[in-house]
Amino acid sequence: AQSVTQPDIHITVSEGASLELRCNYSYGATPYLFWYVQSPGQGLQLLLKYFSGDTLVQGIKGFEAEFKRSQSSFNLRKPSVHWSDAAEYFCAVGAKAAGNKLTFGGGTRVLVKP
Amino acid sequence: EPEVTQTPSHQVTQMGQEVILRCVPISNHLYFYWYRQILGQKVEFLVSFYNNEISEKSEIFDDQFSVERPDGSNFTLKIRSTKLEDSAMYFCASSEAGTYGYTFGSGTRLTVV
Repeated sequence: AQSVTQPDIHITVSEGASLELRCNYSYGATPYLFWYVQSPGQGLQLLLKYFSGDTLVQGIKGFEAEFKRSQSSFNLRKPSVHWSDAAEYFCAVGAKAAGNKLTFGGGTRVLVKP
Repeated sequence: EPEVTQTPSHQVTQMGQEVILRCVPISNHLYFYWYRQILGQKVEFLVSFYNNEISEKSEIFDDQFSVERPDGSNFTLKIRSTKLEDSAMYFCASSEAGTYGYTFGSGTRLTVV
């Protein structure tokens, strides 16, 4: 069965500092990996996704993520956070098959200090 | 940019009542999904739907739940007799082939009182 672990429940970061959110997955084959962001009371917005190819993936809002098969990780990074980046971030994994479900991690809530 | 549209954005219902949550997926998408997120918890898969039938469902999706694509554009989730623990944010999503272009709606917050 597929599973996703986000070890950090909360992260507080100063505006302008770098941010890294950890994601570890468990999946028996090549996974499809995703990062979503959810602002308070809002829906899920896709930041980026990895299907294959280059293991460093660029997304929207200046985010990037790196797929490391050997570590079963897909960590999200941003070099310099903005106050508007305060939100909850979810990592998700899906099977490489049509119409499959996504399995989400528990989320990491990011607080940005002025 | 194409969107998945969900209505209503917030619904309050009494315990034991039936509720229908509505979604309009992206028009050329073939796969449709419902997920839910209980407050403070992770997003959980409920059901996927393809070619007018359920392709996969989770343990959560018991006999109280049903889905339907009644008219080729809407995709609905019905809860027959709501319980307090059904209170959650329900997200509809649609996708093209597999997980390519997997798009979520903005959700319906269901409150059962």
